[in-house]
Amino acid sequence: SQQGEEDPQALSIQEGENATMNCSYKTSINNLQWYRQNSGRGLVHLILIRSNEREKHSGRLRVTLDTSKKSSSLLITASRAADTASYFCATDQSYKLSFGAGTTVTVRA
Amino acid sequence: EAQVTQNPRYLITVTGKKLTVTCSQNMNHEYMSWYRQDPGLGLRQIYYSMNVEVTDKGDVPEGYKVSRKEKRNFPLILESPSPNQTSLYFCASSSPLESGGYTFGSGTRLTVV
Repeated sequence: SQQGEEDPQALSIQEGENATMNCSYKTSINNLQWYRQNSGRGLVHLILIRSNEREKHSGRLRVTLDTSKKSSSLLITASRAADTASYFCATDQSYKLSFGAGTTVTVRA
Repeated sequence: EAQVTQNPRYLITVTGKKLTVTCSQNMNHEYMSWYRQDPGLGLRQIYYSMNVEVTDKGDVPEGYKVSRKEKRNFPLILESPSPNQTSLYFCASSSPLESGGYTFGSGTRLTVV
């Protein structure tokens, strides 16, 4: 079953701008993860935030988690052309990883 | 290099002809799983394995089989493939002893005609 749902489905921004995408989920989780996928290739793990954490940073990435609203957001700051990809949130419920349909981000030069 | 290796990368087959997609990881991970990715549906879990000889169904197990005889390998078997199994397949692994997420293979694009 599809646990996470990303919003928006697609996002187009200028290089240097920030990109924000949101994820909502339905049931309780152990942690929430964000992945990047470049055009039909394998998924790359970006960041994991545990259910008892509210915010986490990794380089230009910032992830927030609001378990009361069952939602998370991923912020990519100072975007680059190389950030063009699809981004997926995935909720982990005891090793059952459930993905949303993803947000496609296009960064224009 | 730590990785999950899937083979083949591309496969075209005919309906009903048994096939196996192999998956191997070199990170000594306990957990392995298979996903299929279809446009507009995201990734859906097919089967997963918590450790050797321990497997369980995911969300879309019909038409698939798996086995976990060794820790490093987790093959996906399609006994009688049908066109609705045309998809992009990913294998992934992880360990409860690590704080990171899952490591994914590069994918297998399967077409059943």
